[in-house]
Amino acid sequence: KAGVTQTPRYLIKTRGQQVTLSCSPISGHRSVSWYQQTPGQGLQFLFEYFSETQRNKGNFPGRFSGRQFSNSRSEMNVSTLELGDSALYLCASRGAILEGYGYTFGSGTRLTVV
Amino acid sequence: LAKTTQPISMDSYEGQEVNITCSHNNIATNDYITWYQQFPSQGPRFIIQGYKTKVTNEVASLFIPADRKSSTLSLPRVSLSDTAVYYCLVGDQIVSNDMRFGAGTRLTVKP
Repeated sequence: KAGVTQTPRYLIKTRGQQVTLSCSPISGHRSVSWYQQTPGQGLQFLFEYFSETQRNKGNFPGRFSGRQFSNSRSEMNVSTLELGDSALYLCASRGAILEGYGYTFGSGTRLTVV
Repeated sequence: LAKTTQPISMDSYEGQEVNITCSHNNIATNDYITWYQQFPSQGPRFIIQGYKTKVTNEVASLFIPADRKSSTLSLPRVSLSDTAVYYCLVGDQIVSNDMRFGAGTRLTVKP
């Protein structure tokens, strides 16, 4: 079974630009969550989607948004990039509740804002 | 969501058993306990999950006392490749899929 795929792996953007990151979950998984990881703040929850609906949202400004498509693939968008948005962005997917195997994470997208 | 407390760092030597304890005093009845491992520049990897007593898989064991206010991840005979950050998470799997990671425990295995 293929894992969670995130594209691109690396990205360099300029302040003020916007960026879109993509996540393809494991086939059959309908829940997709996004996290931001920085050395200073650690792993922080951004949002979670299930069947194209956002179910939970972390404490991030409105510049961070996401969506999920009918095939469960998800994208997150960051507008008006700031230097502090430089981070590893991780996507995780999960199948049926109580499968007992937790979330499967992708390798992440390393975003650098210059 | 229950808050968790773990040691910031631990050191061990190859071949030893490592036990990492996580405190979660406010764990709720429906909460499960899940542990993840993360290597630099990679996403966290699921290790083990449990609700009560003891759970064992091919990688680790998870010990949960009767009051469930803490849990211990046990890694048998660690190797250098087990050097990583280990996260303990507590949450209700049914009501919320929102996982809040703490700072984790940085385990360093020395030769």
